[in-house]
Amino acid sequence: NAGVMQNPRHLVRRRGQEARLRCSPMKGHSHVYWYRQLPEEGLKFMVYLQKENIIDESGMPKERFSAEFPKEGPSILRIQQVVRGDSAAYFCASSLGTENTGELFFGEGSRLTVL
Amino acid sequence: QKEVEQNSGPLSVPEGAIASLNCTYSDRGSQSFFWYRQYSGKSPELIMSIYSNGDKEDGRFTAQLNKASQYVSLLIRDSQPSDSATYLCAVKRVSNFGNEKLTFGTGTRLTIIP
Repeated sequence: NAGVMQNPRHLVRRRGQEARLRCSPMKGHSHVYWYRQLPEEGLKFMVYLQKENIIDESGMPKERFSAEFPKEGPSILRIQQVVRGDSAAYFCASSLGTENTGELFFGEGSRLTVL
Repeated sequence: QKEVEQNSGPLSVPEGAIASLNCTYSDRGSQSFFWYRQYSGKSPELIMSIYSNGDKEDGRFTAQLNKASQYVSLLIRDSQPSDSATYLCAVKRVSNFGNEKLTFGTGTRLTIIP
């Protein structure tokens, strides 16, 4: 049973470009969470999605960031017009449901570097 | 006040000794508490969960919860160099949107000295 799959593992973008990060949850998991981790800091919640629905996006910056989890395919975190401050590790996690929210299974992360 | 607070460390402990990691949280309505371990450059992995007051033991790990004091801790007995990592405390609470979500502390970096 494959774990949470994220790609790309490393992404380099220049300021103003777009970054797209993908996450395929564990088989059978329908709940996806995105977290951002800056160097030497903890995980900051960004968004919680179920299939075709954004449930909680309270941690998402109001501009340039968007997320989706379509009926088919992976969840995508999209960052438009990236700036240097967007450089971070972006972790996706999945769970079976809210009853198991604490038992999140994390992907290996996508490390974004903005030049 | 941060929702989940941890001492960032670094915390250095001799091999074989007990490592004690602490965490406090602000929301009295928090329901469940978790400790994740994160090696440098790797993803967090769940090592302990605790839901009720008292102690919960799993091998060399013991989680302690005191809801009255809003305090949760992790003890690692017989510390090994492989325990060197950042330990993240996480608290499950109900968000303003009515869904449950995990809020993480900033983590405590633990170094076991051989």
